[in-house]
Amino acid sequence: KAGVTQTPRYLIKTRGQQVTLSCSPISGHRSVSWYQQTPGQGLQFLFEYFSETQRNKGNFPGRFSGRQFSNSRSEMNVSTLELGDSALYLCASSPGGGGTYNEQFFGPGTRLTVL
Amino acid sequence: LAKTTQPISMDSYEGQEVNITCSHNNIATNDYITWYQQFPSQGPRFIIQGYKTKVTNEVASLFIPADRKSSTLSLPRVSLSDTAVYYCLAQGGKLIFGQGTELSVKP
Repeated sequence: KAGVTQTPRYLIKTRGQQVTLSCSPISGHRSVSWYQQTPGQGLQFLFEYFSETQRNKGNFPGRFSGRQFSNSRSEMNVSTLELGDSALYLCASSPGGGGTYNEQFFGPGTRLTVL
Repeated sequence: LAKTTQPISMDSYEGQEVNITCSHNNIATNDYITWYQQFPSQGPRFIIQGYKTKVTNEVASLFIPADRKSSTLSLPRVSLSDTAVYYCLAQGGKLIFGQGTELSVKP
């Protein structure tokens, strides 16, 4: 089976712009979670989607949003980018309805740089 | 939300057993204890998960005492390729990762 894929792998934006990142989960996986990883804050949970519904949400401002499509593919959007949004954004999928209680299969991440 | 605390770094030599201990004092009843491994420029990879007592798979063992306030990941006979960051987390509705332990395995 193909693993979790994320596009694009690298992205450079300027402050104030918005960005959309895409994640394709492993075939058959219905739960998709997003994480932000920075050297200072480490790995932080953003949100989890299951069957097109957001089930869990971390402590991020409303500028961070996401959605999931009927084929389980997911996108996350960050509006009004700030320098501090520069990070590696990771997507993970898991099978079944257990979502974040189950083993997470991570993608390679999207490296976002905000200038 | 459960916060995990683990050593920032550890050093070991090839062939040794490595034990990394993690504390999670306010772990929730429904949370599982899970360990992930991460190499540079890659996403984390699942190693092992448990609820209590001992769990063993082909790569590691996980020891969890009855009070579940700590856990120990045991890596038998490490090799150079085990050099990575290891994350302990209380896995529930939200995944809360700690800062991780940077394990360095030397020849």
